[in-house]
Amino acid sequence: AQSVTQPDIHITVSEGASLELRCNYSYGATPYLFWYVQSPGQGLQLLLKYFSGDTLVQGIKGFEAEFKRSQSSFNLRKPSVHWSDAAEYFCAVGASRTGTASKLTFGTGTRLQVTL
Amino acid sequence: EAEVAQSPRYKITEKSQAVAFWCDPISGHATLYWYRQILGQGPELLVQFQDESVVDDSQLPKDRFSAERLKGVDSTLKIQPAELGDSAMYLCASSFASGGVNEQFFGPGTRLTVL
Repeated sequence: AQSVTQPDIHITVSEGASLELRCNYSYGATPYLFWYVQSPGQGLQLLLKYFSGDTLVQGIKGFEAEFKRSQSSFNLRKPSVHWSDAAEYFCAVGASRTGTASKLTFGTGTRLQVTL
Repeated sequence: EAEVAQSPRYKITEKSQAVAFWCDPISGHATLYWYRQILGQGPELLVQFQDESVVDDSQLPKDRFSAERLKGVDSTLKIQPAELGDSAMYLCASSFASGGVNEQFFGPGTRLTVL
């Protein structure tokens, strides 16, 4: 079965500083990887996704992520954080299934706090 | 821009009462998901529909939870009776295709508090 580990529960960065959120996955086949962001009391918004091809993926709001198969990682990065980026970030792995659409397995999330 | 709609946004109930949540997916989306998100954790899939059929309810507590998508469009998730441990955010998501790995679009969720 697939699983996702987000080792950092809470990260605090200063506005303008760079950011990296860690994600490690476990999946027996080629993974389909996602990063979602959740503002307090809201649903999840997709930041970016990796299905195949270029291992560096660009997303919305200036985020990018790099897929590293050798490390089973899909870390999220942003060169300069804005105060509005404060939120909860979830990494997820999608498992393809015969005859039906995929199921997503989420990590436990990383809460990002941005100081001014 | 098309969105997944959910109602109510907040629900407070007493234990042993019945509650129901409604979800209207993006038009044309074949697959609908219900997730439960306990505070401080990631969403966990409860049930997945493909059109009107349930394709995965392995994590749905069937003694108290039920879900339906009668016409393959909107869906209702019901809990009867509610227990204190059911307090959580209930998220609905939809995706266009009925196969493969697809982006899931999430609604704003329903925050349930059981007293």
